[in-house]
This record gives sequence, C-alpha cells and structure tokens, in this order.
Amino acid sequence: RKEVEQDPGPFNVPEGATVAFNCTYSNSASQSFFWYRQDCRKEPKLLMSVYSSGNEDGRFTAQLNRASQYISLLIRDSKLSDSATYLCVVTLENNDMRFGAGTRLTVKP
Amino acid sequence: GAVVSQHPSRVICKSGTSVKIECRSLDFQATTMFWYRQFPKKSLMLMATSNEGSKATYEQGVEKDKFLINHASLTLSTLTVTSAHPEDSSFYICSATLALTQYFGPGTRLTVL
Repeated sequence: RKEVEQDPGPFNVPEGATVAFNCTYSNSASQSFFWYRQDCRKEPKLLMSVYSSGNEDGRFTAQLNRASQYISLLIRDSKLSDSATYLCVVTLENNDMRFGAGTRLTVKP
Repeated sequence: GAVVSQHPSRVICKSGTSVKIECRSLDFQATTMFWYRQFPKKSLMLMATSNEGSKATYEQGVEKDKFLINHASLTLSTLTVTSAHPEDSSFYICSATLALTQYFGPGTRLTVL
C-alpha cells in the first residue's frame, strides 16, 4: 500500500465548478499535512497547510481527519488558472516528507 | 517566502559524462536539504537527504556512488550525477526546510543523450 494515496484524476471541470480532492495516508504517526500545487514542468509550490480544525484560504478549503487518516481539498468557483496538479504531502515523525502521486485538474472555459 | 535556487535549470549531456546540480537557499540557512527526482506524470520521489557537514542519507534503491551529494555549507548542496545514462534523464528538484515548511527549487531538467 502506498504511504500517500490520492484520487487518480484527471479532473476536467468547467469554470465556476466546485471540485474536491481526497487523499489518504497510511502512517498514523504522521505529523504535518500539506497541499502543494505543481504546474507543468515546474516545482511544487505550497498551496496550504492542513489542520485538524480545517482551514480556508479564499476559494480553497482543506480538511484533515486524523481518525480516518484522510485529507481533503475543496476548490470553489474554479478558475482557468487553477489548472495544475495538486499534490498531497505528509510529513512523518522523522520529518521525512511523503508525496502523493498528484491529481491533475483541468478547468475549461 | 523563502527562496531556493537551482543551477542549471536545464542541461543536456552525453552518456558517460558527469553533471553537477547546485541547490542554494538564498535567504536562510538550511542544515538539511532534500533531493528529489520526478519522472513525467509521476510524483516526486525522494532520493536523499543532504546534511550539512556530514554524509547524505540515501533512500533505498538510490546508488550513492552514482548520485554524489555534498553539503559543504549551510546554503549550498550539490548533486552530481556520475557517468550519466539516458535512464537518468529526469527532472531533479531540491528543497530546504524553513519553519516546518518545504521550499522547493525550480528544478533542473537533465537530458542524457
């Protein structure tokens, strides 16, 4: 079983749609959780950290369920510029990071 | 936010040659840096953890004699791909940690002919 698993995608949605990505992790001792965005042929960039209480940043909402070892990212009112690959990232207790395979999102006009 | 640079951004080399990639933290000191490689349409795979002043820690399956890592200062780590082969062609990305957040370099695309 992979340490971090994500929806395989790709997700193709129209502008304005709401889209949700899911991620599960296998190591119950994982410490920190993040969503990164990666544009084609570019490095990953931090989108947002994920907290147990849930957190929101504009159109983006991230949630963490430690009991279920599940992380989600919700994007509301999708924009064309949201098209990218979204990586679920987990930090283990030794500070090693584990990446999901990524979910590709394409927002179409 | 913190900035991490990589050089070169793109390199093409012949089989059998060695290629050195530099990773620098521009406005902070990083005792630990990480090296990843990414194949097309795949996620990042951690290759090794670079520790300033000591030996790097390699992930299982990564040949330490092929991928030489040197972390000579708190702002510079280098990855040298020795005797490169076409299968080493990939996107190599480094990162450094600041306040529990990973900041990634822009990546180096290596093509081995």
